[in-house]
Amino acid sequence: RKEVEQDPGPFNVPEGATVAFNCTYSNSASQSFFWYRQDCRKEPKLLMSVYSSGNEDGRFTAQLNRASQYISLLIRDSKLSDSATYLCVVRKSGGSYIPTFGRGTSLIVHP
Amino acid sequence: DVKVTQSSRYLVKRTGEKVFLECVQDMDHENMFWYRQDPGLGLRLIYFSYDVKMKEKGDIPEGYSVSREKKERFSLILESASTNQTSMYLCASRPGTGAFSNQPQHFGDGTRLSIL
Repeated sequence: RKEVEQDPGPFNVPEGATVAFNCTYSNSASQSFFWYRQDCRKEPKLLMSVYSSGNEDGRFTAQLNRASQYISLLIRDSKLSDSATYLCVVRKSGGSYIPTFGRGTSLIVHP
Repeated sequence: DVKVTQSSRYLVKRTGEKVFLECVQDMDHENMFWYRQDPGLGLRLIYFSYDVKMKEKGDIPEGYSVSREKKERFSLILESASTNQTSMYLCASRPGTGAFSNQPQHFGDGTRLSIL
């Protein structure tokens, strides 16, 4: 099993839709979690950190489920500009300072 | 805002050349990273550094070396460029004291390197 797994998609949704992505991780000792957004031919940019209690930033909600070892990203009221690849990032505890990136989930929002 | 600057957006070099990719960050971050990103393979870590003159191999260090003489600068060196090193190279930095940082990484714009 890969350390961090994401459905590559693409997820094709109309404007205004609600869409959710999951990201599963294999190491139960994982400690830090993030979602990044990457536009085509650009660098990844931090979208949001993921906290144990879940957190929200405008239309974006991130949640962590430690029991099932996954994190999720929910996007409400999708905009055309949300079209991008969403990367999940997990960092283990116990002396590892190297984050592990998922390969990303592609989202296409169409009119 | 964190600024991570990579020296070139696009670079074309020839097989066998020694290639230098430079990365500078302006936020006094301890940790710096070099990745390459290829279609279908995601981000792969080449090398990282958690302090000046300190370096550690990532997942794919073969054919690369790095240099960190100053805290703000982390250089990636392709000793003898080969065509399979054609890729998008991304530098990142992260704040935090030493190795155990919970902070997210910030990326540079990337360098699209083509080896002919």
